[in-house]
Amino acid sequence: DVKVTQSSRYLVKRTGEKVFLECVQDMDHENMFWYRQDPGLGLRLIYFSYDVKMKEKGDIPEGYSVSREKKERFSLILESASTNQTSMYLCASSLGTGAYGNTEAFFGQGTRLTVV
Amino acid sequence: AQSVTQPDIHITVSEGASLELRCNYSYGATPYLFWYVQSPGQGLQLLLKYFSGDTLVQGIKGFEAEFKRSQSSFNLRKPSVHWSDAAEYFCAVGDPGGYQKVTFGTGTKLQVIP
Repeated sequence: DVKVTQSSRYLVKRTGEKVFLECVQDMDHENMFWYRQDPGLGLRLIYFSYDVKMKEKGDIPEGYSVSREKKERFSLILESASTNQTSMYLCASSLGTGAYGNTEAFFGQGTRLTVV
Repeated sequence: AQSVTQPDIHITVSEGASLELRCNYSYGATPYLFWYVQSPGQGLQLLLKYFSGDTLVQGIKGFEAEFKRSQSSFNLRKPSVHWSDAAEYFCAVGDPGGYQKVTFGTGTKLQVIP
């Protein structure tokens, strides 16, 4: 089974702190994604990466950055955490080789981040 | 840009009753379409997907969905709901080209009553 592992289930950070959310997948997928999930807003794409060291902005990239130094690991960075970044963060990966039907995404369990 | 609309925020059904969750998408061509389920405190699990071919798609846990191009819809159905189906359901559209970005709807929360 594909496994996408997020390093923390719950995090509490202070306003202004630099926060790292880590995600690792074990299926050699090209694509990796970071979403945030808020009630009534569904999942919104923050950033995605289609290859090592490659990244693209999603729909809500402001206040975030990402790093992908190795294929299996995709990190989300909050440069200076703010209370409006309190949310559930979901990491996902997909095969993404250009083959037919390869956009099925596999999700981690999520990290619930609270910024106080 | 692609988008997904799930018009129902909450739905309540009785156990054993049939279920239909609505999903409408916006995309210039035929997209990839997905339904995911999220149980409380869990990540998302794929129920079913549509890429092309037969417009009626069977998924796991007894769910099915029908792609209707003329209505830009991909509604999820189940003939008889079980209490364990209570969860939040997300419709999603994937871009077959480019970077294969997937866009999600806002979700429909399903409550099942005895």
